[in-house]
Amino acid sequence: AQKITQTQPGMFVQEKEAVTLDCTYDTSDPSYGLFWYKQPSSGEMIFLIYQGSYDQQNATEGRYSLNFQKARKSANLVISASQLGDSAMYFCAMRESGSARQLTFGSGTQLTVLP
Amino acid sequence: EADIYQTPRYLVIGTGKKITLECSQTMGHDKMYWYQQDPGMELHLIHYSYGVNSTEKGDLSSESTVSRIRTEHFPLTLESARPSHTSQYLCASSRTGGDNSPLHFGNGTRLTVT
Repeated sequence: AQKITQTQPGMFVQEKEAVTLDCTYDTSDPSYGLFWYKQPSSGEMIFLIYQGSYDQQNATEGRYSLNFQKARKSANLVISASQLGDSAMYFCAMRESGSARQLTFGSGTQLTVLP
Repeated sequence: EADIYQTPRYLVIGTGKKITLECSQTMGHDKMYWYQQDPGMELHLIHYSYGVNSTEKGDLSSESTVSRIRTEHFPLTLESARPSHTSQYLCASSRTGGDNSPLHFGNGTRLTVT
């Protein structure tokens, strides 16, 4: 079974608008962490935001926020005021406790910001 | 500013050649990882290391091998490259302790085996 599911292979958003990228996860571990990464066409992976399973509040980092709904096992990334430079692949990832600190990644969402 | 370095950035090589992909980090991280990623696809863990002289295989079976003789260095070797090894290889590291520590990635090596 997929541990991380990203159901949107591609998304389009108009510049300056907000966009939500979906991520659902599957784990029986009560302690886990959720991460979002951005991968531009150049290939590097850029860490964006983190949400811990015990965090009471949704994480925010600048224009990025995480809509964490624990009961639904979803951790959607919200990008506000989209910019052309936001066009990239976005990956959701999870780390379960005792997993030697490696991350399990979803299949990604290709976001294109339109001028 | 990159704290984790991968070389080469691009490599085109013929079938049967031995190759080593280099990865070094200057952050003093104990944990290091190798992920394999086909274009536009998810990342798959192929190797990881807890520290010096510690290496483990990841979820995706790989014919590559790794070594960890120094904390900062985690090279990946393919003894005999094949076209099926064509992919992007991403090296990453993370600090010890704290579930919130992200992986820091290098820029990747794009390998093409002809």
